[in-house]
Amino acid sequence: DAGVIQSPRHEVTEMGQEVTLRCKPISGHDYLFWYRQTMMRGLELLIYFNNNVPIDDSGMPEDRFSAKMPNASFSTLKIQPSEPRDSAVYFCASSSRTGQETQYFGPGTRLLVL
Amino acid sequence: QKEVEQNSGPLSVPEGAIASLNCTYSDRGSQSFFWYRQYSGKSPELIMFIYSNGDKEDGRFTAQLNKASQYVSLLIRDSQPSDSATYLCAVRGAGRRALTFGSGTRLQVQP
Repeated sequence: DAGVIQSPRHEVTEMGQEVTLRCKPISGHDYLFWYRQTMMRGLELLIYFNNNVPIDDSGMPEDRFSAKMPNASFSTLKIQPSEPRDSAVYFCASSSRTGQETQYFGPGTRLLVL
Repeated sequence: QKEVEQNSGPLSVPEGAIASLNCTYSDRGSQSFFWYRQYSGKSPELIMFIYSNGDKEDGRFTAQLNKASQYVSLLIRDSQPSDSATYLCAVRGAGRRALTFGSGTRLQVQP
């Protein structure tokens, strides 16, 4: 299996620009999670989906952040407009209801907002 | 109080020694406990999980869970320099699917 795939791996943008992060979960996994990792706050859950439906978005910082999962093999996390404090590593993870609930992480997208 | 607490370290141990990493959690209803390893610049990778009180061994790794005291630990026997990384404790609360992560403990194994 290819594992969780994320793109881009690195993103540098200017404040105010729109940023879209992409994730392809492991085939057959029915849960998808978006996390953000910073030195100050550690690894934080932003939102997660079950069978393409958002279940808990309480971790989404504010309305500038939105996430979608149009089908079982694709999800996006969008930041519009981006701000320097959004600079972080964004991880996508997936898990299966039948697989001990272990979450498998993608390689992450390192975002720098100037 | 943070939901999941870990000593940030660094924890420094000599090669071949036992490294002991600890984690406490606040949600008494928590059901599942995970240890992830994260190398610098990489994504977290699962080492092991534990659900029941007691010990669970997997190779050089042993997870220990004490629900009454609300702590979980990870022992690494015969530590190797390649074990040098940040170890993240993660907890799944009752009725929840998502994990809450601790801030991680940085382990340094000295050759």
